Amino acid sequence: EVQVVESGGGLVQPGGSLRLSCAASGFTVRNNYMSWVRQAPGKGLEWVSVIYTGGGTYYADSVKGRFSISRDNSMNTLDLEMNSLKPEDTAVYYCVKGTAVPGRYWYFDLWGRGTLVTVSS
Amino acid sequence: EIVMTQSPATLSLSPGERAALSCRASQSVSSYLAWYQQKPGQSPRLLISGASTRATGVPARFSGSGSGTEFTLTISSLQSEDFAVYYCQQYNNWPTTFGQGTKVEIK
Repeated sequence: EVQVVESGGGLVQPGGSLRLSCAASGFTVRNNYMSWVRQAPGKGLEWVSVIYTGGGTYYADSVKGRFSISRDNSMNTLDLEMNSLKPEDTAVYYCVKGTAVPGRYWYFDLWGRGTLVTVSS
Repeated sequence: EIVMTQSPATLSLSPGERAALSCRASQSVSSYLAWYQQKPGQSPRLLISGASTRATGVPARFSGSGSGTEFTLTISSLQSEDFAVYYCQQYNNWPTTFGQGTKVEIK
């Protein structure tokens, strides 16, 4: 079955760190454009970060310099290292497989169930 | 950053009725527009890409149209399982952005 399963969410204090992980099955992470998309409680969707097939990484301005996306090709997993967390980072974080369009960006054709990150003292 | 504006915020309809959801971009995104459905407590599901191409397994009652800055998701006859929140996403410009969502609720 093609799926992604996130883990690692939890409660963290402002300024703290957390590492999210996403285990993929049924497809190869390194051959796809993999993103993290988040959703604050009761709010809409916000793209956070992407890792390209070639390894390039990109971030939304709201998390640039604080978050780091990576993958483990041997484990077929995707990670998101989150540092200097702020209350406004509180959200469900989804691991998402993207389909890239030549010359453009990606739409998201496979979503995990998400993992909740709560930043609060 | 391109701002995606969805309207209405909430659409109250009865089963069997036709639903038309609007998504407007602050500048042209050509046809690089996707639609997603999210039911309570679930993750989003891709419905439409390229403004009008249904994803695998999406029923034919869902259709997408438009290009440039104006897009519409139409559900021809609402079924009970269609009551959900719908989001549009543009992937023509960096960064990719989503609309704020339209909730389709039972009247």
